[in-house]
Amino acid sequence: NAGVTQTPKFRILKIGQSMTLQCTQDMNHNYMYWYRQDPGMGLKLIYYSVGAGITDKGEVPNGYNVSRSTTEDFPLRLELAAPSQTSVYFCASSYSLGVNSPLHFGNGTRLTVT
Amino acid sequence: AQKITQTQPGMFVQEKEAVTLDCTYDTSDPSYGLFWYKQPSSGEMIFLIYQGSYDQQNATEGRYSLNFQKARKSANLVISASQLGDSAMYFCAMREGMKTSYDKVIFGPGTSLSVIP
Repeated sequence: NAGVTQTPKFRILKIGQSMTLQCTQDMNHNYMYWYRQDPGMGLKLIYYSVGAGITDKGEVPNGYNVSRSTTEDFPLRLELAAPSQTSVYFCASSYSLGVNSPLHFGNGTRLTVT
Repeated sequence: AQKITQTQPGMFVQEKEAVTLDCTYDTSDPSYGLFWYKQPSSGEMIFLIYQGSYDQQNATEGRYSLNFQKARKSANLVISASQLGDSAMYFCAMREGMKTSYDKVIFGPGTSLSVIP
């Protein structure tokens, strides 16, 4: 059982370039999330989705876009990459919005913008 | 205001001993869940244990237990019989029942645990 799969694992971008971080899950979870992790800061929510066709902003959405055309896939798009977007990005999914529903994470994408 | 506080940036423990990682939280929601995640050096986030705000007993999962003190708003993770493989970052997280502007799971800054042979 693959769970949540993210690609690529590593990427280096030049300032102003764009890219898409891929995320797919095979657990049939409706709820999916993108977080970024910066050293000493924990994880911050970028965007989330409660189902196919429905997305919403999290805490730090500026500079990012998402789409959710299927239950399985939740790609994150970076337009005009900036050094401030250097971070580790995690995709996650959850069975429900209930307080007892943990997030299941992918293995992360380490992105460097130079 | 920070809702999850982990006051120990780094901890050391001798192999086979027990260790407690601190977590305090702030919420006015009576319904919430508390989670601990482990992040080894390889980078993945691994869910360890869950405690609900209405749970009467402390959660346990194998060598992990959660010392839940609701009145003090603390949810400390206890790892018994530490192993070298326990060396990792540990994150405390909270999910509130009342959704405000967006659904979110809030994470603390993490504690780095090193197990010494």
